[in-house]
Amino acid sequence: DAGVTQSPTHLIKTRGQQVTLRCSPISGHKSVSWYQQVLGQGPQFIFQYYEKEERGRGNFPDRFSARQFPNYSSELNVNALLLGDSALYLCASSLGQGNEKLLFGSGTQLSVL
Amino acid sequence: ILNVEQSPQSLHVQEGDSTNFTCSFPSSNFYALHWYRWETAKSPEALFVMTLNGDEKKKGRISATLNTKEGYSYLYIKGSQPEDSATYLCAFSYSSYKLIFGSGTRLLVRP
Repeated sequence: DAGVTQSPTHLIKTRGQQVTLRCSPISGHKSVSWYQQVLGQGPQFIFQYYEKEERGRGNFPDRFSARQFPNYSSELNVNALLLGDSALYLCASSLGQGNEKLLFGSGTQLSVL
Repeated sequence: ILNVEQSPQSLHVQEGDSTNFTCSFPSSNFYALHWYRWETAKSPEALFVMTLNGDEKKKGRISATLNTKEGYSYLYIKGSQPEDSATYLCAFSYSSYKLIFGSGTRLLVRP
């Protein structure tokens, strides 16, 4: 069974551009969470989606948005990129029942120049 | 602001040494405490999810304890091996969907 897959693995954008990151959870998992990890810090919660509905949102500006598709894959969109958006973006999947281990993808490394 | 603190920030030990790390978290509104291991160039890997005060979990040479009343968890590695070198992250949750991660403890085990 394939693990959590994220694409692309690396991305370079310039300030003001928009970016879309993609995530496919493992088969049978209905929940996808997005985290941002800046070097030297722990991952920060951005969104969780369960059964195509947003279940929670972290302390991120409205430039960040996400959605989940009927096949449970998910996209994270960031508009009007800032230099500070440069980070590793991690996707994690779970059954969505609560108190479960998260299964993480390898992440998308976004560099904003 | 909910804060999760991990100590030490980094640790260098010799192969065979036993070691432990601390995770401190808010003692109110506790839902669960997670531990993850993150090796360089890989994905974070779940070690434990702990929910009850006094919980103890074990996986091979790695074990963890939980004290929700005072807001701390310990992770122990017995007889460290070079392959244990990684960043160990703890994460606190007060709801079913959101984890608040600490900055991690970077462990380097020298052969």
